[in-house]
Amino acid sequence: DTEVTQTPKHLVMGMTNKKSLKCEQHMGHRAMYWYKQKAKKPPELMFVYSYEKLSINESVPSRFSPECPNSSLLNLHLHALQPEDSALYLCASSPDSGSSTDTQYFGPGTRLTVL
Amino acid sequence: RKEVEQDPGPFNVPEGATVAFNCTYSNSASQSFFWYRQDCRKEPKLLMSVYSSGNEDGRFTAQLNRASQYISLLIRDSKLSDSATYLCAVNRLTGGGNKLTFGTGTQLKVEL
Repeated sequence: DTEVTQTPKHLVMGMTNKKSLKCEQHMGHRAMYWYKQKAKKPPELMFVYSYEKLSINESVPSRFSPECPNSSLLNLHLHALQPEDSALYLCASSPDSGSSTDTQYFGPGTRLTVL
Repeated sequence: RKEVEQDPGPFNVPEGATVAFNCTYSNSASQSFFWYRQDCRKEPKLLMSVYSSGNEDGRFTAQLNRASQYISLLIRDSKLSDSATYLCAVNRLTGGGNKLTFGTGTQLKVEL
């Protein structure tokens, strides 16, 4: 079962709100990822967690704060976002980030609108 | 120059046609290659991994040319349900882990 789940499916928030996006996988994968996708653009990598440790941060603004409570869960905490942060936020997981042939599987995404 | 480049299309083809998409990548350290399919407002779904000289899965064939830094996807006997955006993705293992970079995607519309 190559399933990654994400909640919520949709989120509308104001610029002063604090919210969190959640991602879960039960495939035993040890690498998890956050991507941002704007309309008509490809997904862009934000963060990589490997064995529950943050291993890549693609110079993402601090208003986005990732957290990996355990090997199955990945959160993205949002605070003081801007309207231009509105996008589809995709979570992905892969078996072992130490292998270059790792295949990433994506969750359905959270469609975020910042007002 | 973008790290991964694709023709954005759209490619409008009749049902039953054969269509080919191309993708070039600029970083010679890239190690593995994938084609993902993305339907409108959905997540990317893995279509095929492309290793060494390429592979085939039913109507879909992917080829890799490392010397030219080029991968392709061939769809034979296209169906209406093949209409989607096809994303080329290139993986590079860095000190921090795998970095997957996507092309802009090629839109395919299969018509009656």
